[in-house]
Amino acid sequence: DSGVTQTPKHLITATGQRVTLRCSPRSGDLSVYWYQQSLDQGLQFLIQYYNGEERAKGNILERFSAQQFPDLHSELNLSSLELGDSALYFCASSPRLWVNEQFFGPGTRLTVL
Amino acid sequence: AQSVSQHNHHVILSEAASLELGCNYSYGGTVNLFWYVQYPGQHLQLLLKYFSGDPLVKGIKGFEAEFIKSKFSFNLRKPSVQWSDTAEYFCAVNANTGNQFYFGTGTSLTVIP
Repeated sequence: DSGVTQTPKHLITATGQRVTLRCSPRSGDLSVYWYQQSLDQGLQFLIQYYNGEERAKGNILERFSAQQFPDLHSELNLSSLELGDSALYFCASSPRLWVNEQFFGPGTRLTVL
Repeated sequence: AQSVSQHNHHVILSEAASLELGCNYSYGGTVNLFWYVQYPGQHLQLLLKYFSGDPLVKGIKGFEAEFIKSKFSFNLRKPSVQWSDTAEYFCAVNANTGNQFYFGTGTSLTVIP
């Protein structure tokens, strides 16, 4: 157990819908990272938040957004869902801004039908 | 942009065989290097990491990796694999001055008893 929690574990929805994935970092960690893992593209970095502020952006679609709240939990919002958004979404946390190790959550499996 | 290549997508070995998984990255600056493992149904866990110093890094469960700067490589090795090493292995790179992590597409290792 890494100490990072993600909910829900599984999510099934339809195209065009909007969903919210939630992540709680390890106690004391200020950075939260979101990743998308799909079969054809591997693990893709989406976005990083540090202490409530966006600090790095990767291959995140405009239909996706994220935020980190004062209690440091983070939410990833996915809207206008497409079949291709079906994937595992991982959250990771680390203690500091400059990464030297990340701790991953168990992931949320999103299926878009 | 940085990229990480893992050339072996699927590896099948018998128990006690030696393992070497390749990882090459493209980035001209100073990097931090990682190997993560994902056991079936579990989250990603850190196997080992390299920041600086001795280029031969030892990790958990008997794994080691060697950083060869001239070859932009960070190959993972284990002298004798066990059935319990069956998992997906990911190489990752982080620029020393950045927050983004770049992951390879992963290598699926199956160890046959």
